[in-house]
Amino acid sequence: EAQVTQNPRYLITVTGKKLTVTCSQNMNHEYMSWYRQDPGLGLRQIYYSMNVEVTDKGDVPEGYKVSRKEKRNFPLILESPSPNQTSLYFCASSLGTEFTDTQYFGPGTRLTVL
Amino acid sequence: GQNIDQPTEMTATEGAIVQINCTYQTSGFNGLFWYQQHAGEAPTFLSYNVLDGLEEKGRFSSFLSRSKGYSYLLLKELQMKDSASYLCVYDSGYALNFGKGTSLLVTP
Repeated sequence: EAQVTQNPRYLITVTGKKLTVTCSQNMNHEYMSWYRQDPGLGLRQIYYSMNVEVTDKGDVPEGYKVSRKEKRNFPLILESPSPNQTSLYFCASSLGTEFTDTQYFGPGTRLTVL
Repeated sequence: GQNIDQPTEMTATEGAIVQINCTYQTSGFNGLFWYQQHAGEAPTFLSYNVLDGLEEKGRFSSFLSRSKGYSYLLLKELQMKDSASYLCVYDSGYALNFGKGTSLLVTP
């Protein structure tokens, strides 16, 4: 089944404790991205990747890191999480690098930073 | 990102028709998406308009006017399962810009 998977789905952590949220797609998509969704603010892009070893900042990259060593995986890293990073996070992928391509979203990761 | 305006909430009755409007700034335009998102779930693709006019897809239709910076999503024969948030997404060619979403409640 074609899908985007994220792990973990739910995470409660404490300020300053490094964490990684994994994202994997099995559709051989070139483009992958991370979004956060907060009440009243909608979806905002954190980072995106056009292809392996190519990553770029989105609208809200501060406090996050990403890597794209393989085509299928695009982990999101929070080196020192803070409470303002409490949010619902979505990973997405699309076939090509054109924004016109339909985005396929993962199921979401609900992160709480205490 | 580009300013995208859509109503925050709407309520409609099962079986009825509802139109969700979206306006956006018109500088640099590639296309406009509509996504559906049920509470706590991932957004799912509904439609994509790049040319002016109406695109019909079953019970859902999407309209675009590029000169007016205006789009709407039309939902016919509303069902309870259509209760969700509907996201207007503007493609500027540089990035996808998500509206804050319209929360639609379908009542019996």
